[in-house]
Amino acid sequence: DAKTTQPNSMESNEEEPVHLPCNHSTISGTDYIHWYRQLPSQGPEYVIHGLTSNVNNRMASLAIAEDRKSSTLILHRATLRDAAVYYCILRSYSGAGSYQLTFGKGTKLSVIP
Amino acid sequence: NAGVTQTPKFQVLKTGQSMTLQCAQDMNHNSMYWYRQDPGMGLRLIYYSASEGTTDKGEVPNGYNVSRLNKREFSLRLESAAPSQTSVYFCASSGRGVSTDTQYFGPGTRLTVL
Repeated sequence: DAKTTQPNSMESNEEEPVHLPCNHSTISGTDYIHWYRQLPSQGPEYVIHGLTSNVNNRMASLAIAEDRKSSTLILHRATLRDAAVYYCILRSYSGAGSYQLTFGKGTKLSVIP
Repeated sequence: NAGVTQTPKFQVLKTGQSMTLQCAQDMNHNSMYWYRQDPGMGLRLIYYSASEGTTDKGEVPNGYNVSRLNKREFSLRLESAAPSQTSVYFCASSGRGVSTDTQYFGPGTRLTVL
């Protein structure tokens, strides 16, 4: 399975933008790039995903490099509620309509008031 | 909609005891998953079920069995619990879709095996 590399931790000041990087140099042409986050003592929650083009939703933006070997999750204005572990995941196909997610250790984002 | 629900929330077992973790989803999803998360680590896939009536092993299936009871419910059984199975267990479900498939997670079951 293709793997991702993320920094262990990052800090951001409240109300400032945050750029969370992810490297995935062995990504295949059919792998989607997914981001999930896990708030303390909760299950992971979906943030955003993309294939080739940049994507925006109400939670965040995803910028994907032209060669697809890296991506960046952008939180436009960090709030205290955004403090979480962020996982960058390449979604691989398992067959029969099911898709496995392989979680690494993620990036722990701390937001400073 | 409740989403994905898991019972129990907490459980303490003695080595050798058995138990079943229950998971249910009300989103009419085809696929369901069981993960475990050890302290400071990411989630690891134990078993998954692509559709009702099918189950497959994930990364760490040893010591576990699963049952896809119907489309809504997917249970995880520990036949003889070991301290190495102390972990937080998450159930997830996903709809069928090539490009939009995302997984929805339950709140987790915190299991301690003494």
